Amino acid sequence: EVQLVESGGGLVQPGGSLRLSCAASGFSFSSYTINWVRQAPGKGLECVAVISGSGGTTYYADSVKGRFTISRDNSKNTLYLQMNSLRDEDTAVYYCAKDSWGFGSSGCFDPWGQGTLVTVSS
Amino acid sequence: QSALTQPASVSGSPGQSITISCTGTSSDVGNYNLVSWYQQHPGKAPKLMIYEVTKRPSGISNRFSGSKSGNTASLTISGLQADDEADYYCCSYAGSRCVVFGGGTKLTVL
Repeated sequence: EVQLVESGGGLVQPGGSLRLSCAASGFSFSSYTINWVRQAPGKGLECVAVISGSGGTTYYADSVKGRFTISRDNSKNTLYLQMNSLRDEDTAVYYCAKDSWGFGSSGCFDPWGQGTLVTVSS
Repeated sequence: QSALTQPASVSGSPGQSITISCTGTSSDVGNYNLVSWYQQHPGKAPKLMIYEVTKRPSGISNRFSGSKSGNTASLTISGLQADDEADYYCCSYAGSRCVVFGGGTKLTVL
């Protein structure tokens, strides 16, 4: 069974840092692009970062560029999102989602993890 | 990159059909046959319902169908059932960057 499991969410103060992880199983991890998508409370979906299967290509939303870093360890089948200089507006559930492509982001995401909640508040 | 435009809400009675529109631009929806649709029930992760405009993943009912004309994609649900009540999001490839999502549509089954 293809599965993604996020961890690392929690409460952090504005300006703080947090690292999210996404553990993958059931597929050839290094062959697929993985995306981080977030959803603020009561709001819609927003793609925040993308990384190709090899890890050599990354994309970021303008809202997080320069503050967030996406990376992956293909030997551990794990994806990461390092979040620095966190702001109130970064409060959201963060999902990792497997793409159907190995390079670039097709928009065809299946499956998604269960999500991890990040709350930025003083 | 602006979000794709979806109606905030639609509704229908059991057994009826509804259509949700998703309007983008020539830089996303209009330029690629790479539109996906997701269903999200409260407190759950999104679920892929349609990809590449018209294709259904394995296990998705044929009551769900997708189409596209110009810069607007559409999701049609026929034979509405109570469990179809959820939020629906469209998503489009937009080149070498993060994909763009619609703002979401709340479907109410009356």
